Amino acid sequence: ETGVTQSPTHLIKTRGQQVTLRCSSQSGHNTVSWYQQALGQGPQFIFQYYREEENGRGNFPPRFSGLQFPNYSSELNVNALELDDSALYLCASSPFVGNTGELFFGEGSRLTVL
Amino acid sequence: TQLLEQSPQFLSIQEGENLTVYCNSSSVFSSLQWYRQEPGEGPVLLVTVVTGGEVKKLKRLTFQFGDARKDSSLHITAAQPGDTGLYLCAGALQGAQKLVFGQGTRLTINP
Repeated sequence: ETGVTQSPTHLIKTRGQQVTLRCSSQSGHNTVSWYQQALGQGPQFIFQYYREEENGRGNFPPRFSGLQFPNYSSELNVNALELDDSALYLCASSPFVGNTGELFFGEGSRLTVL
Repeated sequence: TQLLEQSPQFLSIQEGENLTVYCNSSSVFSSLQWYRQEPGEGPVLLVTVVTGGEVKKLKRLTFQFGDARKDSSLHITAAQPGDTGLYLCAGALQGAQKLVFGQGTRLTINP
């Protein structure tokens, strides 16, 4: 059974650029959540996708957007990058929608914005 | 303002000592989870507590959910260097889609 995989693992961008991060969910999991983890902080909820539709969003601006595909994999897109967007972006999949079940996290994509 | 406050934020102790990490909130949670995160990896679930007053044990780790479901603690007995990591508590609010995470406790066990 393949776990959650994320790509790329590390990337460097400059202010104003756009970035796309990718996530393959664990087999059998139909729900994907994205979290931002700044250095020294706990993860902050960005949004959740269930059956290709956004199912809840945290306090992040509209330049953070996402997609979920029919195979339940997902993308996180961030436009007009700002320095404060530098963080570890974690994707987590779950067999249950909402917040009741275990989240299975990938290793994350570390984004540095210069 | 953090919805879930963890304390201490940093803890460095010697192998064999005992320790307790606290996770506090003014909000009521339907359940609370504890995760451990190692450098370069995503968090991994240790335990989920659901009932007020519930106590769960995982080898040398003891987890407790407060009676009012607003707080939780993690106690480690006879800590070992392998316990080193970032410990995160995460609460589930009724009707919400997200887990709310604390800021984490970075634990270092020195041999």
